[in-house]
Amino acid sequence: DAKTTQPPSMDCAEGRAANLPCNHSTISGNEYVYWYRQIHSQGPQYIIHGLKNNETNEMASLIITEDRKSSTLILPHATLRDTAVYYCIVRVGATDSWGKLQFGAGTQVVVTP
Amino acid sequence: ETGVTQTPRHLVMGMTNKKSLKCEQHLGHNAMYWYKQSAKKPLELMFVYSLEERVENNSVPSRFSPECPNSSHLFLHLHTLQPEDSALYLCASSPQVADNSPLHFGNGTRLTVT
Repeated sequence: DAKTTQPPSMDCAEGRAANLPCNHSTISGNEYVYWYRQIHSQGPQYIIHGLKNNETNEMASLIITEDRKSSTLILPHATLRDTAVYYCIVRVGATDSWGKLQFGAGTQVVVTP
Repeated sequence: ETGVTQTPRHLVMGMTNKKSLKCEQHLGHNAMYWYKQSAKKPLELMFVYSLEERVENNSVPSRFSPECPNSSHLFLHLHTLQPEDSALYLCASSPQVADNSPLHFGNGTRLTVT
């Protein structure tokens, strides 16, 4: 699976949009981009995923560049409960992945009042 | 509520004890997983089950023994563990084992081996 690069930390003001970048320059054509987050003492929580089109759900939006070498997770209105470690992962949605989500170090997001 | 329930939430055991971790999913999924999260390390995949059949054993020591009696329940039996096995053990499930569906995680069991 392709590796990802994320900033180690970022701060965000409550009520503002949080834009979390992720580089995945070696991504293959059949690899999906997934975002999870992990709040302290809890398991990872799925946020969103996509292949090449931008995606939006009730939690966030995912913007994938046209060359698919990077993406941005957007939390439109950050709240204090969004403080967490955010993981960007790419993996093949095919028969050989066996759920091998390769979590990196992620980005520690701190939302401040 | 994540749909994946793990018990106990915390466990302290000695190196000679035998204990079991339990995971139950209420999502109707066919695939279940065990992950290990050690301090300051990324999540590590341990085992994968598809319809009660183990399909992946990721070079895990034999002191960890998984069991999947049905597609809703997953156990991790522990015996003669080492202090370095102290970690957060996470269970996850997904609709199928080999597609692009996201994994749903439980909140884990925090294990301390003394």
